Amino acid sequence: DAGVTQTPRHEVAEKGQTIILKCEPVSGHNDLFWYRQTKIQGLELLSYFRSKSLMEDGGAFKDRFKAEMLNSSFSTLKIQPTEPKDSAVYLCASRDWGSEQYFGPGTRLTVL
Amino acid sequence: LAKTTQPPSMEAYEGQEVNVSCSHTNIATSEYIYWYRQVPHQGPQFIIQGYKDYVVNEVASLFISADRKLSTLSLPWVSLRDAAVYYCIVTDRMDSNYQLIWGSGTKLIIKP
Repeated sequence: DAGVTQTPRHEVAEKGQTIILKCEPVSGHNDLFWYRQTKIQGLELLSYFRSKSLMEDGGAFKDRFKAEMLNSSFSTLKIQPTEPKDSAVYLCASRDWGSEQYFGPGTRLTVL
Repeated sequence: LAKTTQPPSMEAYEGQEVNVSCSHTNIATSEYIYWYRQVPHQGPQFIIQGYKDYVVNEVASLFISADRKLSTLSLPWVSLRDAAVYYCIVTDRMDSNYQLIWGSGTKLIIKP
C-alpha cells in the first residue's frame, strides 16, 4: 500500500521566487491536509480539502499560500512570493472518512 | 489553541515501560483522544485512539481516567526506535469536518 507521497523532499528558493510543492494522498482517501511545521510554532494547518473541495484555507496563510487539488490523487501547494520566514517543513496528510490522518515525509523548504 | 497539556520531555532507558501523560480538562462529551508520534525527518504517525476506559493495540495501550480529563499512553519495552515526539490530541470525531489541533508534544529521549 502506497502511503502519502511528497515531492520534492528538499527545496531551496531565493526570496521572491515561486515554489510548488506536490502531494499524492493515499488512494481512496477523501480528505487532504497541508500543514506547516516549525520548531517555534509547531504544526499549523494551511489547507483542508474534502473530496477536492476546499474546506479550510488557513486564515493567516491566505495571501501568499495557495493549495489546489486538481484531482482526487494530486494536490499542490504554491507559495508566491517566498520569504525567508517561510522556511519550514511542509507536510501533507490524507484520511478516509472518520479515520486517522496519514502523513507524508514532508518537504523541507529553505528560503534564502 | 491546543486543548491538551503534556510534559515537554521525558527520558527512559531501553527496555523500560514508558507512560506519557496528557491532561485535557475541558474535553467535551463528543471528543475522542488521539495519540500520534513523530520521529525526525518524518511526518507524524498515528498510534492509538480512544474515548474512555482502556484501549490496546499492537503498539501501545491507552488509559483514560473515569472523568476523561487525563489519559496515559503506555509504551512497553521501549527501544531507541521509540525516541520521538508524542502528541496527544482531542477532537470531535462526530463532526465530519473534524480537524486536529496540535500542541507541542512530549519529546521522549531513550537512553541505551
